[in-house]
Amino acid sequence: AQKITQTQPGMFVQEKEAVTLDCTYDTSDPSYGLFWYKQPSSGEMIFLIYQGSYDQQNATEGRYSLNFQKARKSANLVISASQLGDSAMYFCAMRELVRSNDYKLSFGAGTTVTVRA
Amino acid sequence: ETGVTQSPTHLIKTRGQQVTLRCSSQSGHNTVSWYQQALGQGPQFIFQYYREEENGRGNFPPRFSGLQFPNYSSELNVNALELDDSALYLCASSSDRGSLSPLHFGNGTRLTVT
Repeated sequence: AQKITQTQPGMFVQEKEAVTLDCTYDTSDPSYGLFWYKQPSSGEMIFLIYQGSYDQQNATEGRYSLNFQKARKSANLVISASQLGDSAMYFCAMRELVRSNDYKLSFGAGTTVTVRA
Repeated sequence: ETGVTQSPTHLIKTRGQQVTLRCSSQSGHNTVSWYQQALGQGPQFIFQYYREEENGRGNFPPRFSGLQFPNYSSELNVNALELDDSALYLCASSSDRGSLSPLHFGNGTRLTVT
């Protein structure tokens, strides 16, 4: 079963505008972590933001914010004031503690963001 | 602070051969995990090491194996290479297996199997 679903394969956004990237997840574990990563064409995977399942507040990191809706199992990434350098593939990921000695990390299929000048 | 480094950056192998990929974790990190990313797809979790022991594994066959050394660096070994093993292999480190801490990735090794 798909653990992380990113339904938007590609998005275009105008420079200086905001964009929301969708992510839904599936887990029965009460303790989990949600991450967003950016992967430019160079291939490096850059950590953007993290949300813990017990965190009460939505995470924010500079221009990145995470809209966490636990009941809906949704963790959408919002990028405000888009810049040309934001053009990249964006991945949503979930890290689960399956049992005391076993972790698994699942990534979505990714969303390609292209920022237009 | 030294980040995660991987070597080599690119590698070309023939089907049936064996390959070893290397990873040095970020300073202060004791947990290393490996991922396979096929072209146009999201990374797939291979396994994770903490204090030289495997403590998590994805859906990969036994010909994918690994090691972690006392300095927390790690190796990924793949035996009997298949064409479908062609991918970007990413290594990531984190500071504590006991927490859901973010992973920091290296730039990856691009493996091509012909």
